[in-house]
Amino acid sequence: QSALTQPPSASGSPGQSVTIPCTGTSSDVGGYKYVSWYQQHPGKAPRLMIYEVSKRPSGVPDRFSGSKSGNTASLTVSGLQAEDEADYYCCSYAGSNHFLFGGGTTLTVL
Amino acid sequence: QVQLQESGPGLVKPSETLSLTCTVSNGSISSGGSYWTWVRQLPGKGLEWIGYIYYSGTTYYNPSLESRITMSVDTPKDQFSLKLSSVTAADTAVYYCSRSSDGYNFDSWGQGTLVTVSS
Repeated sequence: QSALTQPPSASGSPGQSVTIPCTGTSSDVGGYKYVSWYQQHPGKAPRLMIYEVSKRPSGVPDRFSGSKSGNTASLTVSGLQAEDEADYYCCSYAGSNHFLFGGGTTLTVL
Repeated sequence: QVQLQESGPGLVKPSETLSLTCTVSNGSISSGGSYWTWVRQLPGKGLEWIGYIYYSGTTYYNPSLESRITMSVDTPKDQFSLKLSSVTAADTAVYYCSRSSDGYNFDSWGQGTLVTVSS
């Protein structure tokens, strides 16, 4: 099983929106509703931002949203703020109680 | 809010066994049906799911690491553990323990601990 595919970097200016794609296969992203997204600031632990493709845990700003089409899931950050600058990782259930992470995308707020 | 804290040696020799423990506080390891998880982050790289264990002791491991992994749980101490055998430099990483409250999402994380494999 290979890691999910994410672009290494993404960027946007404050106030803009940016979308980060995460591509897998029909055996993982395309086959299940269990896609999640994690934010990681340097030297910190990951933080769950989106689960089950588009749901937000309590405390996550509604500027963060998720979606999925076929084998590609996406995280959209709207109204970019300086504190959104971080690494973002997607994760998908891959069946048989196994999980795959993406390689990560570094989001830069210009 | 449950809290998790990893502990264990920061330096392991090649071919030896890496052993880490995660202590759970502000919650019980045997309540709520949670899956107790290990994830690692290789230097400068992405995250890798290692596996998880249910409080009953049922385990699920990453197929790429399965032959070298053993996970266990100590419910009276609210701790769970990871053992990774026959380590090489490629196993040098920050190791995180995490909780999956529903078996599909990792909603609480420890701060992570760096384990270096070197002689």
